[in-house]
Amino acid sequence: DQQVKQNSPSLSVQEGRISILNCDYTNSMFDYFLWYKKYPAEGPTFLISISSIKDKNEDGRFTVFLNKSAKHLSLHIVPSQPGDSAVYFCAASLRDMRFGAGTRLTVKP
Amino acid sequence: KAGVTQTPRYLIKTRGQQVTLSCSPISGHRSVSWYQQTPGQGLQFLFEYFSETQRNKGNFPGRFSGRQFSNSRSEMNVSTLELGDSALYLCASSLLRPPGEAFFGQGTRLTVV
Repeated sequence: DQQVKQNSPSLSVQEGRISILNCDYTNSMFDYFLWYKKYPAEGPTFLISISSIKDKNEDGRFTVFLNKSAKHLSLHIVPSQPGDSAVYFCAASLRDMRFGAGTRLTVKP
Repeated sequence: KAGVTQTPRYLIKTRGQQVTLSCSPISGHRSVSWYQQTPGQGLQFLFEYFSETQRNKGNFPGRFSGRQFSNSRSEMNVSTLELGDSALYLCASSLLRPPGEAFFGQGTRLTVV
């Protein structure tokens, strides 16, 4: 059951520009949302999170926006850097954590 | 402090065999979750253990099972392996039960031939 969906399998942006990664979910009971980044041959690493009582959380170049009415969240990376190239997973949590299929971000120099 | 350790890193098995994967969580973490990653499917939730008890289970057949020991180390077992079980199996540990930030191991790459 795909409760968390990332409909864009890949995204390519130019260095210095904004990267926007999107995620949709179906279960309105999810109360915590997270983004993870994964490099090849490594496990995912936590990037940023947001509680369902907030609509925005910022950490340096990374900002997560939550739109509960649309059941949508997005991750903004500004400015994008080549080292940001990785697969980004969106996750939603209630009793356990459910992940999307991931979006491969490529930042071109 | 040491991160999440999964062993072995790579495994090749034949159809019909069984396999056991191991996960040592970060010291002090009591929640261990297992995920299967296949291309295009993202991370599929298998199960979560907390204090030696399975708290949640995903939509996987009964061939997939697990357990957690008193020191929080966890094992996952897959019996009667099928070709479709070939995947990266990831273990994540958390200080508390979900929700919250989880720390992942590097995974075990299982290939079934």
